[in-house]
Order: sequence, then structure tokens, then C-alpha cells
Amino acid sequence: QVQLQESGPGLVKPSGTLSLTCAVSGGSISSSNWWSWVRQSPGKGLEWIGEISHSGSTIYNPSLKSRLTISEDKSKNKFSLKLISVTAADTAVYYCTRVLIGTFDPWGQGTLVTVSS
Amino acid sequence: DIQLTQSPSSLSASVGDRVTITCRASQSISSYLNWYQQKPGKAPKLLIYAASNLQSGVPSRFSGSGYGTDFTLTISSLQPEDFATYYCQQSYSTPATFGQGTRLEI
Repeated sequence: QVQLQESGPGLVKPSGTLSLTCAVSGGSISSSNWWSWVRQSPGKGLEWIGEISHSGSTIYNPSLKSRLTISEDKSKNKFSLKLISVTAADTAVYYCTRVLIGTFDPWGQGTLVTVSS
Repeated sequence: DIQLTQSPSSLSASVGDRVTITCRASQSISSYLNWYQQKPGKAPKLLIYAASNLQSGVPSRFSGSGYGTDFTLTISSLQPEDFATYYCQQSYSTPATFGQGTRLEI
């Protein structure tokens, strides 16, 4: 069964860049699926960030699009998130997940990223 | 963006109770509505997809219904492990959006 695991720095300075990676096991990111990032903060609840397809196409949340890049590394079976110019409002638990017929399943365990100096 | 409004925001119940949670969409989303359960410190878990379809491995005491703008998640007989927060999510249009959550507590 597919499993996902997020990794990356837990602390990012304001105006810096948030970079996370999601390692996929038990399945290939080259399969006919999309792969997504979702974040959860106390103030905004669950927020869909964006996703990438098996062929590298991307769809981003318009609210984040100007600061966001989602990419993939097929050789390592991973996909990544890069968010620039972060502020305290970007502090959240970040999850990676597979998109399946519009649902998010399964999810990684999540990683807390705090934006603070 | 499509807004999803859940009610109630929190709910106190007892083991064995029948519980219903409502999710209302700001516009029609056909059957493109999914439900998730989240326990403290854990990732959300898919329970129901396409409004009424039970995800594999999810107990049959969970059920979903609705179409258009009004949807419900029902737990027929609460078990101790069901005390958690529940979220609805629409997949009708981009960006996907979630309800604000319903916290189910004893």
C-alpha cells in the first residue's frame, strides 16, 4: 500500500523559503495519479496548496500561486514543495497526500513548519 | 472558491448515540463531497467519498448522504474510537476546499 513521508526544516525565517519533500513508498509517482500538498493551521483550518500529476503538470491554489512551486523527482520517487517569501501566516502542519478521484488518500504523517526569526 | 459550512462546530455525545453532522456548500457541487476523520496529532483519514460511498476498511456505522448543496455524515452508534474531528471536502472545482470541522467529544 502507498505510504507518504514528509521531510524538511521545521523552522524557517520570515521572508525565507519553505522547502519540503514527500517520499512515496509502495507505489510510483509515475503512476496515473496526482500528488498533493495540504496544510493545516489553527487559524485557517485545512487548506489545499496544490498538486502535481504523474506527467509533471501542476495546479496551484490561486491564493499561493505567486509564491509556490511543486516539482517531482521520478528517480527518487519524491515530490517537493517550495514556498517563497514566507510569513507567520505560513506556519502550519504540512501534509503530502495522493489524489484519488478527487479525494485525498492516503496522507503522510505531517510535518510542522514554524515561520519565526 | 466554494465555501463549505459544517454544523455543528462541536458536539457532545455518548457511546451508542446516533450522530449527524451537516455540511452545506455555497453552490451546487453535485456529489463531489468527501468526509474525513482526524484524531489529535494524526493526519486526516478518508471515510466517505462521492457523498455516500464508504471507503474500504471504514466501519459500516459510518454513512453519508446528500446532493447539490446539503450533505450529512451519520454515525449510527458511536464507539469510543469515533471521538475525533470530522471534515467535509469538495472536489467539484479547484481549489479544493474543506469545511471548518466538527469536533465530536464525549
